[in-house]
Amino acid sequence: AQSVDQPDAHVTLSEGASLELRCSYSYSAAPYLFWYVQYPGQSLQFLLKYITGDTVVKGTKGFEAEFRKSNSSFNLKKSPAHWSDSAKYFCALVRGGSNYKLTFGKGTLLTVTP
Amino acid sequence: DAGVTQTPRHEVAEKGQTIILKCEPVSGHNDLFWYRQTKIQGLELLSYFRSKSLMEDGGAFKDRFKAEMLNSSFSTLKIQPTEPKDSAVYLCASSSQGSNTEVFFGKGTRLTVV
Repeated sequence: AQSVDQPDAHVTLSEGASLELRCSYSYSAAPYLFWYVQYPGQSLQFLLKYITGDTVVKGTKGFEAEFRKSNSSFNLKKSPAHWSDSAKYFCALVRGGSNYKLTFGKGTLLTVTP
Repeated sequence: DAGVTQTPRHEVAEKGQTIILKCEPVSGHNDLFWYRQTKIQGLELLSYFRSKSLMEDGGAFKDRFKAEMLNSSFSTLKIQPTEPKDSAVYLCASSSQGSNTEVFFGKGTRLTVV
């Protein structure tokens, strides 16, 4: 079975700082990895994905993530952070093959203070 | 292009009632997912359809939860009978076939069971 862990339930930082949200996964084969964002009162929106190839992937809204097979991580990064980045961020995994369901981590609530 | 449409947006039910939530996926999408979102458990998969066929259902939810895909453009989630612990946001999502494709989420139905 696969799983996703986001160890930080809540991250707070000041506008202008660099943000890095942690995500680790457990899966025996090569996973497909995603980040989604949920703004207050809204549903989930796609940010970026890693399928294969370059281990640093860029997404929408200035975000990027780095896939590290060595420690099974897929951390989300952005610099500088803006107050409008305040939201809940979810890391997710797809096994690949014929099953395309997303397995989500519990999410990290990011608060960026002006 | 319309996204994923969910109705109703809010539902209040009395314990023991039967409720039906509705979802229209993005036109042309083959995969449809129902997730439940709570603060404690996060995002849990309820059901997963591909081209109207049930691919997977969340084991813990088989008892009182039944999702159906009546045609390629309409799905329902029935909860029967409802219990207070079912209070949550129910999200419907769809994607075109492919494990590396983006999943589009609806705005969700917030269910309150009293």
